[in-house]
Formats: sequence, structure tokens, C-alpha cells
Amino acid sequence: SQTIHQWPATLVQPVGSPLSLECTVEGTSNPNLYWYRQAAGRGLQLLFYSVGIGQISSEVPQNLSASRPQDRQFILSSKKLLLSDSGFYLCAWSVPGDQPQHFGDGTRLSIL
Amino acid sequence: SQQGEEDPQALSIQEGENATMNCSYKTSINNLQWYRQNSGRGLVHLILIRSNEREKHSGRLRVTLDTSKKSSSLLITASRAADTASYFCATRSGGGSYIPTFGRGTSLIVHP
Repeated sequence: SQTIHQWPATLVQPVGSPLSLECTVEGTSNPNLYWYRQAAGRGLQLLFYSVGIGQISSEVPQNLSASRPQDRQFILSSKKLLLSDSGFYLCAWSVPGDQPQHFGDGTRLSIL
Repeated sequence: SQQGEEDPQALSIQEGENATMNCSYKTSINNLQWYRQNSGRGLVHLILIRSNEREKHSGRLRVTLDTSKKSSSLLITASRAADTASYFCATRSGGGSYIPTFGRGTSLIVHP
């Protein structure tokens, strides 16, 4: 069966520090991969999605970036975090095509 | 911009009662999906209903879709305290885009 792992579960970082959140999927090949951010009590904002290694589409211009160095690995990064980067970050995968998404358990990021 | 919008934003009921949540959207869709999110966790896919379907069932869940009114409803029958969660609808439009757009969710509290 397929599983998705996302870490860390919680992270507290100072303003201006770098960020690296990692997401890996097991049990499937060539998945579509997604990074979302969820503000408290709000819906999901799509940040990045990827349909293959090295292929990243950005939905929202900001100081975050994403990379897909391997087929089942998706990384969310920042060189310098802002206070506004605080939130709940979710990674998801789906089979290519018109299929449901499967989410990780998220990372709660607090910027101080 | 968000395609689907859930209504109500919050719903509080007693165990054993039925819970109905609605989702409205603006443009034509290929399918509509409902997800559940427990507090502090990732989203879990519940049901996908395609634009040519009118109703789907899964256990105590019943989803309807009215494309003429651009709306969908999620009914949870005989609710349990464990159904307490946020429920989101997500729509996928046509034109080759497989990226779903999520609403802001309905927060459901089921009192034991």
C-alpha cells in the first residue's frame, strides 16, 4: 500500500532563518506531488505541484521554493523565513490524472 | 480564488443526528471531492463524484451533486462524536487541469 511521510511534525524557527521540509511517498511511482499551506481556520492554498522529477510549478509568488530531486521526494525550502510564513504545511500525492489526493500529516511551522 | 465554498462554516449537533454540509462552486467541473480533516492532521479523501453522477454513497456518507445549481451536499447520517472534524469540498475543472481547488471547510462538532 502507498504511504506518505512528512517531517518534521512541528518546527519553530526565527525570522530570517532557512527552511527545509521534506515529504516522501512510498508504494507508488511517478506520483503527482503537491505542497499546500493552510492558515488557521482556512482552506488550503496550493503552493507548488510537480508532475515529475525536476518539474515544479509555482502557484503563488513568495519566498518559498520547491524541489523534486527524486521521483518520490518533494522538498519545500526557503532561504529566509518571514513571519507570514507561519502556518500548517501539507504535502500530498495523487496518481496522475483525475484522481483523489492523499495527504501527509502536515508540519506546523511557527516563526518567531 | 477558491472555487468551492462550504456552508455552513460551523455546525454543532448531537450524536445520532444527521449532519448536512453544502458546497457551491462557480464554474463547470469534471468532478467534486469531499475530504475530512481532524484537528492538526492531514486531509483524508471521503468521496469523489463525477459531473455525470447525481448521488454516491459510502457507509453513513451520502453525497449529491446538482450541476444545474452548481452545488453539492454531504450528508452524514447517525453522526458520532468521532465525526467531529472539518469537511472540505474540492473541485476539479476541465481543460486538462488536474489541480483541485479547495473551499474553506465546514467545522462539524458532534456532542456525545
